[in-house]
Amino acid sequence: NAGVTQTPKFQVLKTGQSMTLQCAQDMNHEYMSWYRQDPGMGLRLIHYSVGAGITDQGEVPNGYNVSRSTTEDFPLRLLSAAPSQTSVYFCASSYDDRGADTQYFGPGTRLTVL
Amino acid sequence: GENVEQHPSTLSVQEGDSAVIKCTYSDSASNYFPWYKQELGKRPQLIIDIRSNVGEKKDQRIAVTLNKTAKHFSLHITETQPEDSAVYFCALLSGGGADGLTFGKGTHLIIQP
Repeated sequence: NAGVTQTPKFQVLKTGQSMTLQCAQDMNHEYMSWYRQDPGMGLRLIHYSVGAGITDQGEVPNGYNVSRSTTEDFPLRLLSAAPSQTSVYFCASSYDDRGADTQYFGPGTRLTVL
Repeated sequence: GENVEQHPSTLSVQEGDSAVIKCTYSDSASNYFPWYKQELGKRPQLIIDIRSNVGEKKDQRIAVTLNKTAKHFSLHITETQPEDSAVYFCALLSGGGADGLTFGKGTHLIIQP
């Protein structure tokens, strides 16, 4: 049981480039989410999904897209990277379909945009 | 969205003493209040949570209290140990239908030997 996995661990992009951060879980959780963590800002919700085919915006969705074609996978796409998107990104999953239960976090992706 | 204020931002205590971290919120419909611990370079992990129908919950040296009237909840760690040094985040789930947790900005707890 791998839990929540994320790839890559580290990434450096140039302004304007696009990329996809991968997230997968093997716990059959319906709820998955993406957060970004910046120094002194806590974790802020980007997008979340309450099941395959369903996604919704969180607090800071601009510049990011998501899709949920399977229960296991929840990729996060940066459309045109900007320096303001330099951050650590965490994916999380939860048994409860509103996230009102233990959120299991992945190991994180550290992204730098130059 | 919902706002949650967390204090203090840094807390230094002597090993063996108690530590208290407090969070306040504004949405009276909030109904789920977890606390996460994050060690340096690691992922956040749930340490305790409480729901709005309960006033207090304990798990060994850790306790959480909830005051719904005053709209605040607190994390209490007793007999602190060096391994308690970490950043602690409170969070809540709004009861207003929006899904997903809102996190506080974190408290850096330092245990002095």
